[in-house]
Amino acid sequence: DTGVSQNPRHKITKRGQNVTFRCDPISEHNRLYWYRQTLGQGPEFLTYFQNEAQLEKSRLLSDRFSAERPKGSFSTLEIQRTEQGDSAMYLCASSPDRVEQYFGPGTRLTVT
Amino acid sequence: GENVEQHPSTLSVQEGDSAVIKCTYSDSASNYFPWYKQELGKGPQLIIDIRSNVGEKKDQRIAVTLNKTAKHFSLHITETQPEDSAVYFCAAFTGTASKLTFGTGTRLQVTL
Repeated sequence: DTGVSQNPRHKITKRGQNVTFRCDPISEHNRLYWYRQTLGQGPEFLTYFQNEAQLEKSRLLSDRFSAERPKGSFSTLEIQRTEQGDSAMYLCASSPDRVEQYFGPGTRLTVT
Repeated sequence: GENVEQHPSTLSVQEGDSAVIKCTYSDSASNYFPWYKQELGKGPQLIIDIRSNVGEKKDQRIAVTLNKTAKHFSLHITETQPEDSAVYFCAAFTGTASKLTFGTGTRLQVTL
């Protein structure tokens, strides 16, 4: 257990619905990352926060995706109007120094 | 951007044998190279890492080597045990992009 928690662990939703995931990082880490992992692949970077500021966004993060980190603590990732291609594991990572990253257990999203 | 290639995709060894996984990267600016172990249904777990100013690092049965000139790095596991069975990912961190780029993973199977 890395100390990073994610909720929910599993989410099944119908196409077109909105979903929101939460990540609670290690408390003393001020950097937080979101990645997406599809079956048989390595994680792919989505976005990065330092405190409450969103500093980097991948081109993978379409306008249906939005992430926030109010007050620089927990973070949420919302997907609007879900599509079947959004089905994946969404991983959050916490970092003390931008480089070392400790992952949570992930949220597995299935869009039917 | 950075590209990380990982080989082999699957590796089967007998208990007690050594396992070696190799990765190459493309961006000479990458300066941090972690290895993650991922078990089924779990998030990636950081098992060892190496920074670009070091050529080799060892932690009990696992070691990582880095050749900056050739842009490749390797994971070595000695005296393998059944609990080493998992998917292993290499990654490279590029400061300019503030993200980890992952390889495609190696499924290691340790048989009795």
